[in-house]
Amino acid sequence: EVQMVESGGGLVQPGRSLRLSCTASGFTFGDYAMSWFRQAPGKGLEWVGFIRRKASGGTTEYAASVKGRFTISRDDSKSIAYLQMNSLKTEDTAVYYCTRDKVVNFDYYYYYMDVWGKGTTVTVSS
Amino acid sequence: EIVLTQSPGTLSLSPGEGATLSCRASQSVSSSYLAWYQQKRGQAPRLLIYGTYSRATGIPDRFSGSGSGTDFTLTISRLEPEDFAVYYCQHYGSSPGSFGQGTKLEIK
Repeated sequence: EVQMVESGGGLVQPGRSLRLSCTASGFTFGDYAMSWFRQAPGKGLEWVGFIRRKASGGTTEYAASVKGRFTISRDDSKSIAYLQMNSLKTEDTAVYYCTRDKVVNFDYYYYYMDVWGKGTTVTVSS
Repeated sequence: EIVLTQSPGTLSLSPGEGATLSCRASQSVSSSYLAWYQQKRGQAPRLLIYGTYSRATGIPDRFSGSGSGTDFTLTISRLEPEDFAVYYCQHYGSSPGSFGQGTKLEIK
């Protein structure tokens, strides 16, 4: 069964750091790009960033709201993607989802998300 | 940036009825790059439709997608109790893609 499981969420004070993990199973992790999304309470979906597969350079892109504070990485040997979150703000409070990305255009990296994890909750509060 | 506007914001229907959800793009987009997701309360989103028309694995055939240009539609032919959820459209013909604000389908 294809699945992704996020972990590492919790309550953290503003300015502190947290690292989320996304453990995948049931497919060849290294063949796929992975994204992180978040959803603040009662709000819609917000893209956080993604990491390309190694064959496409393994490079990353980020939303403006998190650029410079968040870092996505991957360990294909363990089938895990990470989201390192530094300098957290109260507005980063959300459920964080990782996704498996189905790339349909590798030149421009157009993709949709065909598998979602169940999410992990991050609360930033003093 | 392409902005997606979904309508209505909330749709109240009864099980067994048909539902039509709209997604309008701020400019013409390729039908190859339009997806729909379902999010039930307290759950993660789930891919329903990609490429405007194609159902994702395991999605019942009562769900269908259509449209072109700026206007796209998700149709649910006969609502089942488990279909009441929030539905998001996504345009992925840019990187990253963009989402609509969602349509909440609620039981009347």
